[in-house]
Amino acid sequence: DQQVKQNSPSLSVQEGRISILNCDYTNSMFDYFLWYKKYPAEGPTFLISISSIKDKNEDGRFTVFLNKSAKHLSLHIVPSQPGDSAVYFCAASPVSSGTYKYIFGTGTRLKVLA
Amino acid sequence: NAGVTQTPKFRVLKTGQSMTLLCAQDMNHEYMYWYRQDPGMGLRLIHYSVGEGTTAKGEVPDGYNVSRLKKQNFLLGLESAAPSQTSVYFCASSYSMVTDTQYFGPGTRLTVL
Repeated sequence: DQQVKQNSPSLSVQEGRISILNCDYTNSMFDYFLWYKKYPAEGPTFLISISSIKDKNEDGRFTVFLNKSAKHLSLHIVPSQPGDSAVYFCAASPVSSGTYKYIFGTGTRLKVLA
Repeated sequence: NAGVTQTPKFRVLKTGQSMTLLCAQDMNHEYMYWYRQDPGMGLRLIHYSVGEGTTAKGEVPDGYNVSRLKKQNFLLGLESAAPSQTSVYFCASSYSMVTDTQYFGPGTRLTVL
């Protein structure tokens, strides 16, 4: 049972345009969400987070939107750059329940075309 | 400041052999984690530790053991390797709260024949 789903395995976007990566979750107890970026042969690196008390969080070119009623979050990258080409993972956790665990999605491979 | 390092980077084992993966962090982090990543699946938590001398099971703990004898090190052991344990293993650490950023090591690619 996949509690965190990234239904698009891959996405191609032209340089300078917007990249939108989507993530759906099923557990209504999840209240903290993360996005990680992963380059080949490297470990994931943290990108941006959002708590369920917010519906939007921005950090430079990266914005994460959270729609709690739809159990959906999305990562927007504007403008997209070739260096953004990587695999993006979303992760979720019910932190208020005292857990130390995150559930990760399967990842979306983003390719930004120059 | 090396961050999170993992040893070894690659390893090939035969079924039934044992090995230990070492994770070290120099950021004085309290929490450490071991994940595995398989094709078509996200990162899955194997075991984690919230402080020196403590360990706990994650999502997929069977076939693995861990130890956290020193704050900076988190060891993952495979007592009797199986082909199903062929995977890329990532170690991560974070400061002191579950919402703190997890910093990942570069990974260990393990193949069990």
